[in-house]
Amino acid sequence: GEDVEQSLFLSVREGDSSVINCTYTDSSSTYLYWYKQEPGAGLQLLTYIFSNMDMKQDQRLTVLLNKKDKHLSLRIADTQTGDSAIYFCAESPPPGSSNTGKLIFGQGTTLQVKP
Amino acid sequence: EAGVAQSPRYKIIEKRQSVAFWCNPISGHATLYWYQQILGQGPKLLIQFQNNGVVDDSQLPKDRFSAERLKGVDSTLKIQPAKLEDSAVYLCASSLAGGTDQYFGPGTRLTVT
Repeated sequence: GEDVEQSLFLSVREGDSSVINCTYTDSSSTYLYWYKQEPGAGLQLLTYIFSNMDMKQDQRLTVLLNKKDKHLSLRIADTQTGDSAIYFCAESPPPGSSNTGKLIFGQGTTLQVKP
Repeated sequence: EAGVAQSPRYKIIEKRQSVAFWCNPISGHATLYWYQQILGQGPKLLIQFQNNGVVDDSQLPKDRFSAERLKGVDSTLKIQPAKLEDSAVYLCASSLAGGTDQYFGPGTRLTVT
């Protein structure tokens, strides 16, 4: 079945790097996503990675994918207080499957950035 | 470009009452999703529309929840009658047909007392 797991909480100092981890079970997932949710707001798409990639970098964000271990991570360089939020990992089934378009979310990791 | 709009932002009702939420997706987005996000959890898909047709409603509690997207643009999600466990944030998202990126609205926070 489909399942996405994340650690619940991470605390870092401003200026440090943050690494948020995620594991998933569906090896046929096509895309893996990272969303950010600030208090009282909807989800903001941060980045995504296609399943045939190992790494994707976008400014301060680096996504690493280990398909063998079904492990995804999000690294935020030079973490700022404005990065404090809940970060969700999500997987998407492949096109043509009965669940195309459906996102399976983890339970979210709360990132606390201390000044 | 305007984002996904939802209303109301907050709603408090008593159990057994009915409630409706409205969503206006990004212009041109054929696919529309409703998610339920219970406090402390990730969003869970309730229903997915492609234009005005239902693609996936396998997780929708059909005895009390209903949704429609009559003209393939706006959508409404209704709960009748509400239960305490329906307290959650209801998120609407949209994407281009076959698109990989879903864009979320701010959500409607429902409290059932």
